[in-house]
Amino acid sequence: QVQLQESGPGLVKPSETLSLTCTVSGGSISSYYWSWIRQPAGKGLEWIGRIYTSGSTNYNPSLKSRVTMSVDTSKNQFSLKLSSVTAADTAVYYCARVGTYGSGSYPDLWGQGTLVTVSS
Amino acid sequence: VIWMTQSPSLLSASTGDRVTISCRMSQGISSYLAWYQQKPGKAPELLIYAASTLQSGVPSRFSGSGSGTDFTLTISCLQSEDFATYYCQQYYSFPWTFGQGTKVEIK
Repeated sequence: QVQLQESGPGLVKPSETLSLTCTVSGGSISSYYWSWIRQPAGKGLEWIGRIYTSGSTNYNPSLKSRVTMSVDTSKNQFSLKLSSVTAADTAVYYCARVGTYGSGSYPDLWGQGTLVTVSS
Repeated sequence: VIWMTQSPSLLSASTGDRVTISCRMSQGISSYLAWYQQKPGKAPELLIYAASTLQSGVPSRFSGSGSGTDFTLTISCLQSEDFATYYCQQYYSFPWTFGQGTKVEIK
């Protein structure tokens, strides 16, 4: 079955760029949208954005100026970069596959999540 | 941005109870709503999409209803494994947004 696994540094310094990769196993990354979602400790979920395997993206306007997503179909991976991070970006970051039903799409399969702490 | 009001934020219940969680939208979203369950230290898992369609493998004691601005998640007979936090999420328009969550705890 399809599984997602996030990877990347667990500690990032303020003002630097957070970089995470999600590796998709058990299935092809092609022909799906893929998404990033984060969750600060003890708080709710915040959608960061989504990317199609063609490279087409939709970002949350609240983060858009700092977010870049990319996809590498040859490696079955997609990635997140968040620039100029502050302590407010400390969170568990989840990657997720986006499923579709009718004209709607929603995260239907999530990775286990990875904690990223922003601290000097 | 579509704002979501999820209630209650905390629900105390006993095994076997019927519980209901509400999610209200700041504007109509047709049926573009999903529900997730999250257990401590784990990723959310999809329960329901399109407001009322049960994700494959999810027990039938879970059900969803509603359209437009008012939605409900019902657990017909609470089991021990159902004590968790539940989130609604709208995918009608960007940015996708989530409710604040409802923690279902043991009474």
